[in-house]
Amino acid sequence: GQQVMQIPQYQHVQEGEDFTTYCNSSTTLSNIQWYKQRPGGHPVFLIQLVKSGEVKKQKRLTFQFGEAKKNSSLHITATQTTDVGTYFCAGIKNSGGSNYKLTFGKGTLLTVNP
Amino acid sequence: ETGVTQTPRHLVMGMTNKKSLKCEQHLGHNAMYWYKQSAKKPLELMFVYSLEERVENNSVPSRFSPECPNSSHLFLHLHTLQPEDSALYLCASSQGPSGGGRTQYFGPGTRLTVL
Repeated sequence: GQQVMQIPQYQHVQEGEDFTTYCNSSTTLSNIQWYKQRPGGHPVFLIQLVKSGEVKKQKRLTFQFGEAKKNSSLHITATQTTDVGTYFCAGIKNSGGSNYKLTFGKGTLLTVNP
Repeated sequence: ETGVTQTPRHLVMGMTNKKSLKCEQHLGHNAMYWYKQSAKKPLELMFVYSLEERVENNSVPSRFSPECPNSSHLFLHLHTLQPEDSALYLCASSQGPSGGGRTQYFGPGTRLTVL
């Protein structure tokens, strides 16, 4: 079945350092979504990438979708303590007709030392 | 955010108990989902309902029984659970019959502990 691998599993940084998490799919994706889950909270949608090679930015966050639509990355510039949480990618594959399957990665837990 | 609510927020039950988790969405969506989130494992999709019809059941044991009486409400009935079923159970909703490719809005979850 479809697998979505996400690395690293954990990342601890000093405030002000950059952070990147990577997501790789075993199959070509229709699109990919990124979510953030704060400690004790629930996943909150960040962004969706659809096009091959797409790059989107949200303030200090940069999201990329690979040319082959099998990998993606989230990069945070100059981390802040408010960035703490687990970042999940979710790959979406067209499984036929109008049916899509959403598969989450295990997530990367980011901790930031002030 | 109050778009998707879940009750109870915490639940402790014995293996012989029967309980139900409730989810309600106030976003006018027509697809709803149950996920299981365990430590060190990815979010596991359990059930998908689209227009009140179950469209996906990911090999979930029969001790979990979903119910979707209308597009705003989703239940997960639990009976004779095992300790390994202890987890955070998340409900989500999205717009669109297939749900895929659409933003999913998650509820706060129910933290379930099975003794």
